[in-house]
Amino acid sequence: NAGVTQTPKFQVLKTGQSMTLQCAQDMNHNSMYWYRQDPGMGLRLIYYSASEGTTDKGEVPNGYNVSRLNKREFSLRLESAAPSQTSVYFCASSELRSNQPQHFGDGTRLSIL
Amino acid sequence: AQSVTQPDIHITVSEGASLELRCNYSYGATPYLFWYVQSPGQGLQLLLKYFSGDTLVQGIKGFEAEFKRSQSSFNLRKPSVHWSDAAEYFCAVGARGGYNKLIFGAGTRLAVHP
Repeated sequence: NAGVTQTPKFQVLKTGQSMTLQCAQDMNHNSMYWYRQDPGMGLRLIYYSASEGTTDKGEVPNGYNVSRLNKREFSLRLESAAPSQTSVYFCASSELRSNQPQHFGDGTRLSIL
Repeated sequence: AQSVTQPDIHITVSEGASLELRCNYSYGATPYLFWYVQSPGQGLQLLLKYFSGDTLVQGIKGFEAEFKRSQSSFNLRKPSVHWSDAAEYFCAVGARGGYNKLIFGAGTRLAVHP
């Protein structure tokens, strides 16, 4: 039972390069999320997808784009990576209702030089 | 706007000692409340949640939390800490109604001395 799977686990980029982080869930959840985690700041929501076919900005969307490919998959793209985007990125999924807990992947550790 | 404050960045306790991690929230009504734990190199795992009803909620791994409306708090407790409890703990709030969006606190890192 995989839950939420993120790829890759680690990546080093040069400034200006592009990259797509992949996320897939096998729990048949409607909603999916992308967060970034920085020291002392907890998790901040980048984008979310309440249901298949919809995406919305979160707290820190600048420099990112997302695609909800189907119900299972939600990708995060950095078009032109910047050192400020060095972070740990987490994908999560949940049922649509706000009283349902979110389930997290193990994260992607991204360094931008 | 919703916000979550975890006043303690780092806490160190001895194995077998009791533990209380603090969480205060700002929200216009009673929110949904969650505690998550993150072990090194791992994602977040749900410890417990409060939606309504009994203000003392039990979670996994022997943890419990108490919702106190008058203090806008949702503190996490454990009577006897084990070395394996060393991790980072996050409190989160969610708004009732609408989409399932969470606001996380900055986290409390717990170290356990043998």
